Amino acid sequence: QKEVEQNSGPLSVPEGAIASLNCTYSDRVSQSFFWYRQYSGKSPELIMSIYSNGDKEDGRFTAQLNKASQYVSLLIRDSQPSDSATYLCAGLGDSGGSNYKLTFGKGTLLTVNP
Amino acid sequence: EADIYQTPRYLVIGTGKKITLECSQTMGHDKMYWYQQDPGMELHLIHYSYGVNSTEKGDLSSESTVSRIRTEHFPLTLESARPSHTSQYLCASSEALMGHTEAFFGQGTRLTVV
Repeated sequence: QKEVEQNSGPLSVPEGAIASLNCTYSDRVSQSFFWYRQYSGKSPELIMSIYSNGDKEDGRFTAQLNKASQYVSLLIRDSQPSDSATYLCAGLGDSGGSNYKLTFGKGTLLTVNP
Repeated sequence: EADIYQTPRYLVIGTGKKITLECSQTMGHDKMYWYQQDPGMELHLIHYSYGVNSTEKGDLSSESTVSRIRTEHFPLTLESARPSHTSQYLCASSEALMGHTEAFFGQGTRLTVV
């Protein structure tokens, strides 16, 4: 199993709907989790971080972490066309000793249709 | 706003030339990363560093080399550029400690080897 896996997408939702993005991870990635947004031709931009089980809300974004099931998700409420981008899930895993390595999933392309 | 800078933003260079892509951050972060990303494709980790004089190869084999002589500086060098090196190169940095380990990206260098 890859360390971080995302549902392949692409995902298309109408404007105003809830977009749900999911990510699963292996035992090697078990510490902290992050969601990045990447517009075409641009670099990834951090939008959410989550470190403990449960939900974390920031505006229209909610990150959910379930360590027992090893998944992390991102919900985008009231989706806007400007949310159209690739969303990258990332986890911080043990690469040996006391060092930790940031590992990304392949990304899910989200399109919000007006 | 993250203070991490990459130069140049765009580079077109001939086959066989030696090039160095610059990455600097002013946040005092110990960890720095280099990723390679082709258009529409996933991020591939090619090098990372946990601190000064510490460098490791990433998940994707790369003919490039890196150095970390100063905390704030993490340059990537290609001794002899080839068309297969054409890609976008993204640099990122983060804290080394658990907690508050969000990684921030530079704007990227788009390299074209002709």
